[in-house]
Amino acid sequence: QQQVKQSPQSLIVQKGGISIINCAYENTAFDYFPWYQQFPGKGPALLIAIRPDVSEKKEGRFTISFNKSAKQFSLHIMDSQPGDSATYFCAASKGSNTGKLIFGQGTTLQVKP
Amino acid sequence: IAGITQAPTSQILAAGRRMTLRCTQDMRHNAMYWYRQDLGLGLRLIHYSNTAGTTGKGEVPDGYSVSRANTDDFPLTLASAVPSQTSVYFCASSRTEGEKLFFGSGTQLSVL
Repeated sequence: QQQVKQSPQSLIVQKGGISIINCAYENTAFDYFPWYQQFPGKGPALLIAIRPDVSEKKEGRFTISFNKSAKQFSLHIMDSQPGDSATYFCAASKGSNTGKLIFGQGTTLQVKP
Repeated sequence: IAGITQAPTSQILAAGRRMTLRCTQDMRHNAMYWYRQDLGLGLRLIHYSNTAGTTGKGEVPDGYSVSRANTDDFPLTLASAVPSQTSVYFCASSRTEGEKLFFGSGTQLSVL
C-alpha cells in the first residue's frame, strides 16, 4: 500500500509556464513534508519542505501548498526553466527522525525551451 | 570536497553472492540511511542509524544488514543476493536525525 501517492507520473511544460505536482498521504501522523529534486545520475537533493502548521511555503520560484484536511500537498514551480527538468519526489515522515521518509513514486518534469 | 562517497558506482552480481556496498561521509553527521530506488516506487528506506553504534530497520529491511562501527562509515551488506535486489542504492546522512538529508550519488546494482 503506497502511503504517499504522487501525480502525474510525467509532465511537460513550456518555458515560463507553471509546473504543478500533487501528492496525497494516508497517515495523519505525518508531520514533515519535503520535496526532493533529482537529476540523472545524481542523488536526490532537498528542494523545499513544509510542516503542517502552515498552509504555504515559498522559496524563490518554488512553492509548497499544504491542505491538512484533504491530506494533500503540492509543489508549484513558477516561471519553469529548462534547467528545472528533473525528477521530483514528494515525501513524508513522522516524529523526530525526519530522515525516515516515505517517498512518492516520482514525477519526471520536462521543460521545453 | 565534503560529502558522501559511495562505492562501487555500479556492480553486476551473480545471484547467491555476498556483496557489501560502501558509504563514507566526511561531514561528521550523526545519522545515516540506506535507501533503494526502483522505477515507479520512488525511494524506500532499508536501514538507518541515528548515531554510531546503533541501527534500525526501515520499510524494506529483509535481505539486508548494516553496521555502524564509527561515525563516518555505514556499509550495507547483501548476504545472498537475489534478482529482486536489483536497484539503485543511495546512502544519505544528516547532522542529526531531525535535520536536512544529504544523498550520495548512488550504486547501481544488478543481480543476475
